[in-house]
Amino acid sequence: GNSVTQMEGPVTLSEEAFLTINCTYTATGYPSLFWYVQYPGEGLQLLLKATKADDKGSNKGFEATYRKETTSFHLEKGSVQVSDSAVYFCALSPYEYGGATNKLIFGTGTLLAVQP
Amino acid sequence: NAGVTQTPKFRILKIGQSMTLQCAQDMNHNYMYWYRQDPGMGLKLIYYSVGAGITDKGEVPNGYNVSRSTTEDFPLRLELAAPSQTSVYFCASRKTGPETQYFGPGTRLLVL
Repeated sequence: GNSVTQMEGPVTLSEEAFLTINCTYTATGYPSLFWYVQYPGEGLQLLLKATKADDKGSNKGFEATYRKETTSFHLEKGSVQVSDSAVYFCALSPYEYGGATNKLIFGTGTLLAVQP
Repeated sequence: NAGVTQTPKFRILKIGQSMTLQCAQDMNHNYMYWYRQDPGMGLKLIYYSVGAGITDKGEVPNGYNVSRSTTEDFPLRLELAAPSQTSVYFCASRKTGPETQYFGPGTRLLVL
């Protein structure tokens, strides 16, 4: 079946450190991949996405590359800020004949805490 | 443009009580979704709708009901609340085509 596995948190970093949050997936066909971010007390917001192999999604200094050979979509940022503290969710939208489905399958989320 | 709105923000229910979680969107989106978020478990899809009058079960539908009489509204009904339904509930919507889902701020429900 379809599933998403994320590295467990919390991840604690100092400001300006390099961030990597690992995400791997299991899916048939060619799913679309997403990173969502949830700030404290808020709903989820789309951070970035990639819809086909080798695509790179980017936004607000975050990047993730769709790697079909390793079934991964790791999130990276070169220099984190305190304001990046949040929970990050990796998700996939499974592929069905005729295109991607309208469903999202989420990983368990990774809490990032950035200290000044 | 308010996006996706949810009410109430927080509610405490006694076992066996019923309630309706409200969700509305003003973006004219066809697709709407209800998720629950349990600690350390990510989000699980409860029900979804592809348009007014059309709903379907997600991964964890037991104990819930939905209806979609208008494009804008997608209420979630709990008929007999149980402690296992203690969770944070998120509503989301998206338009046909692009897959980005827009989430509401959530409803925190505590069943005692």
